[in-house]
Amino acid sequence: AQTVTQSQPEMSVQEAETVTLSCTYDTSESNYYLFWYKQPPSRQMILVIRQEAYKQQNATENRFSVNFQKAAKSFSLKISDSQLGDTAMYFCAFMSGGSQGNLIFGKGTKLSVKP
Amino acid sequence: DTEVTQTPKHLVMGMTNKKSLKCEQHMGHRAMYWYKQKAKKPPELMFVYSYEKLSINESVPSRFSPECPNSSLLNLHLHALQPEDSALYLCASSQDGGRTEAFFGQGTRLTVV
Repeated sequence: AQTVTQSQPEMSVQEAETVTLSCTYDTSESNYYLFWYKQPPSRQMILVIRQEAYKQQNATENRFSVNFQKAAKSFSLKISDSQLGDTAMYFCAFMSGGSQGNLIFGKGTKLSVKP
Repeated sequence: DTEVTQTPKHLVMGMTNKKSLKCEQHMGHRAMYWYKQKAKKPPELMFVYSYEKLSINESVPSRFSPECPNSSLLNLHLHALQPEDSALYLCASSQDGGRTEAFFGQGTRLTVV
């Protein structure tokens, strides 16, 4: 069975600084996808970034980038130039390529951006 | 349109009530999902519909009954719930499941009294 571990329950960062959220996962599969979702107090889960396991290049989306270390089964999220609107719960998620699309989530990291 | 719309946003129901949660998407997605999220916990998968057929039921009690009337709509019928069923219920959809990311609605906050 696949597992996703986020070891940082809470983190804080000053506005405009950079922060890295950690995620590790365990799987025996070779075909899978990894995601970071953001859940602000408004409750909606918002996709931040996605990484296909077969791609060696790390995904980037504007201020968000990942460090995907496949051998180490590590998938960290870096947020550059943090903004107050980045304050949210961040969930790392795993999806097997052979699945029906169901996501396995980590326990989440609560990020607070301070002015 | 990249929205998944859930109604109602809030629902309070008694243990003997029957109610339904509704979810709608117009992105042409063929996979739809119900997740349950307790406070300060990650979402947990309940059901998956793929091409309007139930493909995954994660051992959910029968007091929760999903329905997919068409490719754009997903319902969750609730009956004889318990207070521990109080949670945020999230609907999601994806283009074909297994290869594409899921888009989530804002959820229905359910309180069972």
